[in-house]
Amino acid sequence: QSALTQPASVSGSPGQSITISCTGSSSDVGSYNLVSWYQQHPGKAPKLIFYQGSKRPSGVSNRFSGSKSGNTASLTISGLQAEDEADYYCCSYAGNSSYVFGTGTKVTVL
Amino acid sequence: EVQLLESGGGLVQPGGSLRLSCAASGFTFSNYAMSWVRQAPGKGLEWVSGISASGGGTFYALSLRGRFTISRDNSKNTLYLHINSLKAEDTAVYYCVMEVGDTELDYWGQGTLVTVSS
Repeated sequence: QSALTQPASVSGSPGQSITISCTGSSSDVGSYNLVSWYQQHPGKAPKLIFYQGSKRPSGVSNRFSGSKSGNTASLTISGLQAEDEADYYCCSYAGNSSYVFGTGTKVTVL
Repeated sequence: EVQLLESGGGLVQPGGSLRLSCAASGFTFSNYAMSWVRQAPGKGLEWVSGISASGGGTFYALSLRGRFTISRDNSKNTLYLHINSLKAEDTAVYYCVMEVGDTELDYWGQGTLVTVSS
């Protein structure tokens, strides 16, 4: 199972919106509407921020939203804030109770 | 509050073996599937293995199958990962993860560092 492809880095100014793409294949992203997204600050464990195409865990800002088209999923962060600076990973359910992660994207708030 | 506390990491020589543990609390452990995810220093996340709530189903990343064994003891609320024939490339932080819906990785422990070096 190959890692999903994400841009290495994305940046934006406070208040702007940015979008992170996540490209997989017909075996993972394309087969299931089960892409999840994780935020990881330096030295910390990852945190689930979006899942199952349209859901946010309790306590996660509604500035985070997701979408999917074909084999590509996307995470949009609206109203970018300094605290959003972190690494972001997509992850797709890949069948048979397995998962495949994306390569990760470093978000920088300018 | 869900709490997952990993232990068992440390410095191991190449070819050695290790058993990682994850003590769970704050939820009914026997009701949920669990996974292990690892992260090499400065690298991305890699799903390693998963196990069903009952322990009857075990699943592994294709590239890692054979050296890793996941198990759980629901009477002790503990998840395990046994790793054999350790290689330098197994050096990573290993995270214990709880799956609420069986399709995403909901709650993460703080991780335990495994370093494979002579």
